[in-house]
Amino acid sequence: KAGVTQTPRYLIKTRGQQVTLSCSPISGHRSVSWYQQTPGQGLQFLFEYFSETQRNKGNFPGRFSGRQFSNSRSEMNVSTLELGDSALYLCASSWGTGANEQFFGPGTRLTVL
Amino acid sequence: EDQVTQSPEALRLQEGESSSLNCSYTVSGLRGLFWYRQDPGKGPEFLFTLYSAGEEKEKERLKATLTKKESFLHITAPKPEDSATYLCAVQAGSGANNLFFGTGTRLTVIP
Repeated sequence: KAGVTQTPRYLIKTRGQQVTLSCSPISGHRSVSWYQQTPGQGLQFLFEYFSETQRNKGNFPGRFSGRQFSNSRSEMNVSTLELGDSALYLCASSWGTGANEQFFGPGTRLTVL
Repeated sequence: EDQVTQSPEALRLQEGESSSLNCSYTVSGLRGLFWYRQDPGKGPEFLFTLYSAGEEKEKERLKATLTKKESFLHITAPKPEDSATYLCAVQAGSGANNLFFGTGTRLTVIP
């Protein structure tokens, strides 16, 4: 069974630009969550999508947004990039909501110059 | 406010030297506690889920236990390939799926 895939794996952008990251969950999984990982803050929850609906959102500014498609694939978008947005962005999928395991992809390393 | 604290921040062990990693938590209504392993430049790899105090789970050289306030990850006779950052996360409250992570313990096993 294929794991969670994320594209692109690496991205370099400049301040003020916007970026879109993509995540394909494990086949059959309907919940996709996004996390930001930085050396200073660790792993922080961005948002979760289930059946194309955002179910929960972390404490990030509105520049961070996402969506989920009918095939459960998800994208996240960051507009007006800031230097502090440089991070590893991780996507995790699970079969549903509730206390069940989340499986992570390899991440997209975003560098903002 | 939900809080997860992992200790120690870093741990160096000789190959074969057993030890434990600690994850203490303060959450409203624990629904699950998760252990992950993360290698540099990679996403976290799922290890265990624990749901209630007294529960234990084992996988190869790893054993996770849970009490009402903390969880331990015991590593028995570690090997160099066990070197990684071990992350603890909790899922709590109202039914949301998000995980709240600790900052991890960076384990180095020396041959």
